[in-house]
Amino acid sequence: GQQVMQIPQYQHVQEGEDFTTYCNSSTTLSNIQWYKQRPGGHPVFLIQLVKSGEVKKQKRLTFQFGEAKKNSSLHITATQTTDVGTYFCAGEGVIQGAQKLVFGQGTRLTINP
Amino acid sequence: DTGVSQNPRHKITKRGQNVTFRCDPISEHNRLYWYRQTLGQGPEFLTYFQNEAQLEKSRLLSDRFSAERPKGSFSTLEIQRTEQGDSAMYLCASSPGRAGRYNEQFFGPGTRLTVL
Repeated sequence: GQQVMQIPQYQHVQEGEDFTTYCNSSTTLSNIQWYKQRPGGHPVFLIQLVKSGEVKKQKRLTFQFGEAKKNSSLHITATQTTDVGTYFCAGEGVIQGAQKLVFGQGTRLTINP
Repeated sequence: DTGVSQNPRHKITKRGQNVTFRCDPISEHNRLYWYRQTLGQGPEFLTYFQNEAQLEKSRLLSDRFSAERPKGSFSTLEIQRTEQGDSAMYLCASSPGRAGRYNEQFFGPGTRLTVL
């Protein structure tokens, strides 16, 4: 079945350093979504990428969708303590006629102030 | 607060008991999803509804799990004969589910189940 792998599992950085998490799918995706989950909270939608090679920015966050629509990345420039949390990618593909979102394991980001 | 509510927020039960959780999605959303999340893992898909129709159920879901969305609004997830391995956070999410719209999912706060 469809699998979504995410690396690294953990990342600890100094405040002000950059951070990147990578996502790879075993199958071609119709779109990919990114979510952030704060400690003790629930996943919150960040963005959706649909087009091959798409790049989107949200302030210090840059999201990319690969040309083959099988991988994606999230890059945070100059991290701040408010960026702490777990970042999940979620790939959406059509499986047996039904759209289904498959989440990666997440990358847990911790920051040393 | 995303507008998706779940009840109860916490449930402690003894092994072998049945439990039922409720999810109230955002009112105009057609799609409703159930996920299970354990510590250090991403949400694991369980099932989803388009209006009142259950369109997909994970193969990982045993027959002890059943979900309903009788009027296409709120949904319930029942686990029969609970086992310790069922202990997890059960998340509900809803999305608009309309063509041409983002299918972003709005998650509720979850129900944390502990099976003793």
